[in-house]
Amino acid sequence: DTAVSQTPKYLVTQMGNDKSIKCEQNLGHDTMYWYKQDSKKFLKIMFSYNNKELIINETVPNRFSPKSPDKAHLNLHINSLELGDSAVYFCASSQRRQFYGYTFGSGTRLTVV
Amino acid sequence: AQSVTQLGSHVSVSEGALVLLRCNYSSSVPPYLFWYVQYPNQGLQLLLKYTTGATLVKGINGFEAEFKKSETSFHLTKPSAHMSDAAEYFCAVSFNQAGTALIFGKGTTLSVSS
Repeated sequence: DTAVSQTPKYLVTQMGNDKSIKCEQNLGHDTMYWYKQDSKKFLKIMFSYNNKELIINETVPNRFSPKSPDKAHLNLHINSLELGDSAVYFCASSQRRQFYGYTFGSGTRLTVV
Repeated sequence: AQSVTQLGSHVSVSEGALVLLRCNYSSSVPPYLFWYVQYPNQGLQLLLKYTTGATLVKGINGFEAEFKKSETSFHLTKPSAHMSDAAEYFCAVSFNQAGTALIFGKGTTLSVSS
């Protein structure tokens, strides 16, 4: 019954590799987001999709590419991983027209070695 | 530009004492305001929110917050701290504008001692 689920929960990989993080929500929300939480716990928006359309694309390296096959899924693909990409990545969803806050997934801790 | 400032990166209280976590925002349009809590190695959980209506909002776990437009503040309080309240607390602001997202403060770590 998890509302927003992310996989994997932990991801350890070497520099230069390509990896993906998957996110699914079963709340019927029409908008999904990716946030990055750095080592100082600061949360910053990366991307947002509304009904499969990209509506927010913050200044992130183009090695990061979001993909939304439908409004219940938002995946994050990262190419050529670097040490600085190590962080916790959170997926979230909301209903745009009735704004009651975001529901967050439990996060994916990415460690690049 | 819209922003959120949390005063005090670390707050320490004794069990049973009042908890006060401060949050101020900057906005040119009416904001929606939120407090989230993050326990170690977990995701973010919504504590409470203000969108419209009553300015004193009650949330889960005995927390409440008051929206004060004149002070551009949304401080979080709890009358009596429990050990289980120790966590990271984030104030966040959003706006009813296309192409905007939830903006977070830098967080406040709450420590509770016995």
